[in-house]
Order: sequence, then structure tokens, then C-alpha cells
Amino acid sequence: AQTVTQSQPEMSVQEAETVTLSCTYDTSESDYYLFWYKQPPSRQMILVIRQEAYKQQNATENRFSVNFQKAAKSFSLKISDSQLGDAAMYFCAYRGNAGNMLTFGGGTRLMVKP
Amino acid sequence: NAGVTQTPKFQVLKTGQSMTLQCAQDMNHEYMSWYRQDPGMGLRLIHYSVGAGITDQGEVPNGYNVSRSTTEDFPLRLLSAAPSQTSVYFCASSYQGLVRGNEQFFGPGTRLTVL
Repeated sequence: AQTVTQSQPEMSVQEAETVTLSCTYDTSESDYYLFWYKQPPSRQMILVIRQEAYKQQNATENRFSVNFQKAAKSFSLKISDSQLGDAAMYFCAYRGNAGNMLTFGGGTRLMVKP
Repeated sequence: NAGVTQTPKFQVLKTGQSMTLQCAQDMNHEYMSWYRQDPGMGLRLIHYSVGAGITDQGEVPNGYNVSRSTTEDFPLRLLSAAPSQTSVYFCASSYQGLVRGNEQFFGPGTRLTVL
């Protein structure tokens, strides 16, 4: 079974600075998808960014980018120019190519200091 | 579009009681799923459905039943609630299952407490 590990329960960053959230996963599959979800205090789960494993290029969405290291099974999220609204729980998630199940990590709580 | 809606937002049950958590989506998505979120454990898949009349178990299905009689609705039933089922429950849907990394849209969640 696949597992997803987020080793940082909490992180903090100064407003306007850059922060990186870590995620590692374990799989024997070669083709899969990885996601980062944001969960603000409202509890709503919001997709931040996704990465397809067969694409070598790292995904980017505005201030959010990933560092995808397939051999190391690492999928970190970089948030540039952090804003107060970025404060939330962030979840890394994995889905195999053939399956219908998303496997989530335990989450990282990000605090943004003004 | 209302997206994915869930009712109720909060619920308190006594051990042994039964209830149904409602989930509906108006995006004509084939795939719907239920997750539970416990502190420090992220979300775990309970049951999912790839279309009307088709359901399957996820990672933690015990104690929960589902059915999918229409494309729009996917209720989750707790037949005999236990304190271990105290959690926040999320319903999600997506177009054409999870193939090709299709985005899942999540409902606002239901916070359930079982005393």
C-alpha cells in the first residue's frame, strides 16, 4: 500500500518570504499523480497544485511550485511571497494511475507572521 | 453551481444511534467519495462510487454503508454509531473518476461527535 509522509507538523514563515513544505511517499508504481491541498480554518479542501509523475517538469501555479524528485520519492511545495491568506493546513496526496483512491499525508500547519 | 453540498454541518449522536450524512453534487460528476479526517492523520477514504449503482470500499469502510441510486447523491450511513467514529467527514466528487489526475471537489465537511 502507498504511504504519504509529511514530516513537518508545523511550519512558520514571515510574510513576503518563501517557505518549503516537505512530502515523501512510498510506491512501487511508475505512473501516478501527486497533489497539494490547502485546508484553511473554514475546513474547505482546496487543490493548490498537481504533478503527473511522467512529466519531468515541475508544476507551477502562480506563487506555488513543486520540487518533484521521482527517484527520491519526494514532492515538496514551495510558497513564494507568502501572504497572510496562505495560513492553513497543507496536505500532500498520492494517487496511482489505475486506482480510485487518494492517499493523504498527515498534514503540515503553516503559520504566516505579519 | 452549488458544487458539493453536505448536511448537516454538525451532529452529536449517542453510542448506538444511527444517522445518515447527506452529500449532493450538481456538476454531473460520475465519481463520488467519502473521507474522514482525524487529527494528525490526514483524510482517509471510507467508500467511493464510480457511478450510479456502483460502490466500493476504501481504506476504512467498517461501520459505514453507502448507496448510489442517482448521479447527484451519495449518502453515508452509520448504522450503530461508536465513539471511534467521532471525526470530520468530507464528501468529494470528480469527473470521470480519478483518471488523469482529475481534480476532486470537496464539500464543506460534517463534524460528527459520538458520545
